[in-house]
Amino acid sequence: EVQLVQSGAEVKKPGESLRISCKGSGYSFTSYWISWVRQMPGKGLEWMGRIDPSDSYTNYSPSFQGHVTISADKSISTAYLQWSSLKASDTAMYYCARLFFTLTSYYFDYWGQGTLVTVSS
Amino acid sequence: EIVLTQSPATLSLSPGERATLSCRASQSVSSYLAWYQQKPGQAPRLLIYDASNRATGIPARFSGSGSGTDFTLTISSLEPEDFAVYYCQQSGTFGPGTKVDIK
Repeated sequence: EVQLVQSGAEVKKPGESLRISCKGSGYSFTSYWISWVRQMPGKGLEWMGRIDPSDSYTNYSPSFQGHVTISADKSISTAYLQWSSLKASDTAMYYCARLFFTLTSYYFDYWGQGTLVTVSS
Repeated sequence: EIVLTQSPATLSLSPGERATLSCRASQSVSSYLAWYQQKPGQAPRLLIYDASNRATGIPARFSGSGSGTDFTLTISSLEPEDFAVYYCQQSGTFGPGTKVDIK
């Protein structure tokens, strides 16, 4: 069974750093890209970026480039999303999702349960 | 950058009724569009990909159609568990969502 299991909820102060994780199981982790998706309270879904775990190649949405870092450790089948300096506006639910590609597009076929990040002074 | 627009924002229907949700792209995306369902407190779930292909385990009452710029998700007869928010997606862009709620 394919599973993506994310790390638990976090409460942080503005300016603090944070790394959340997403561990894949039940499939070959290096055969599928992983994306991160943000959902702010009461809002819709925003694609942040993606990583190829086989070589750690990344793409970012222009909206998130420079604000977050996506990484992966294929030896433990885990992808990460990290911030060096959190802002209150980073408060949101963050989902990891597995990508699958068709001929010329990609979709998200399995999702983690989400990690709630709260940033408040 | 492609922009996806969904309508209506909210659809109020009763169980057993047919739901028709629309997604429009700002430029042609051929048939490369997906639909997701999200229930409160849950992660999204892939329903339809490449405009009309049901994902694994998705009931036949869900169907997708369209190409180019106009796409439709149809739920033929609403079950109680279908009341949720539905998003369309093309590559790195999601639509704003349509909420299907109980009339």
